Amino acid sequence: AQRVTQPEKLLSVFKGAPVELKCNYSYSGSPELFWYVQYSRQRLQLLLRHISRESIKGFTADLNKGETSFHLKKPFAQEEDSAMYYCALSSLLGTDKLIFGTGTRLQVFP
Amino acid sequence: DAGVTQSPTHLIKTRGQHVTLRCSPISGHKSVSWYQQVLGQGPQFIFQYYEKEERGRGNFPDRFSARQFPNYSSELNVNALLLGDSALYLCASTGLDTEAFFGQGTRLTVV
Repeated sequence: AQRVTQPEKLLSVFKGAPVELKCNYSYSGSPELFWYVQYSRQRLQLLLRHISRESIKGFTADLNKGETSFHLKKPFAQEEDSAMYYCALSSLLGTDKLIFGTGTRLQVFP
Repeated sequence: DAGVTQSPTHLIKTRGQHVTLRCSPISGHKSVSWYQQVLGQGPQFIFQYYEKEERGRGNFPDRFSARQFPNYSSELNVNALLLGDSALYLCASTGLDTEAFFGQGTRLTVV
């Protein structure tokens, strides 16, 4: 079964602390993995995707096929990083269907 | 470009009624997908349409249907509403690079 698991509903850190939001997936083929973010009162938006291998707003995520993980990391959290983060996967086989995890709320305290 | 636009933003319906939700994709995007997001959960895929053809369907009952028009806008219809259909309904449009852009959603409340 295709599934995305985000084990933490809430992650609270202080400004400047490192952040790691966990994401594990199960998928029989070769998926594309994404992190989406939703800031307060804003729409869901793409943060990064594994095929681009970019760092966005200081965040990085590495696809680990052996551990079927795609954890999101940032070395020094900022208050403006406070938001809801969703990990998602998509098949590379011609459909735009996204399978989302349940999301992790990141709170960064000053 | 205003991005993906959805209407209405909020809606209250009674059990048993039907509802139509509308979505306009980003100009140039030919693919539209619909998602249901209930409180505390991630978005769940309902449908994808590409060039007016259904490309994918999630695990939703036949009460849910959708269509895409020649201008690539889309409608999601839900018949015989149940209390459990109360949710945020999201529309996403996708271009050639497969990045999904989401609308602000329609909040449906069934009473």
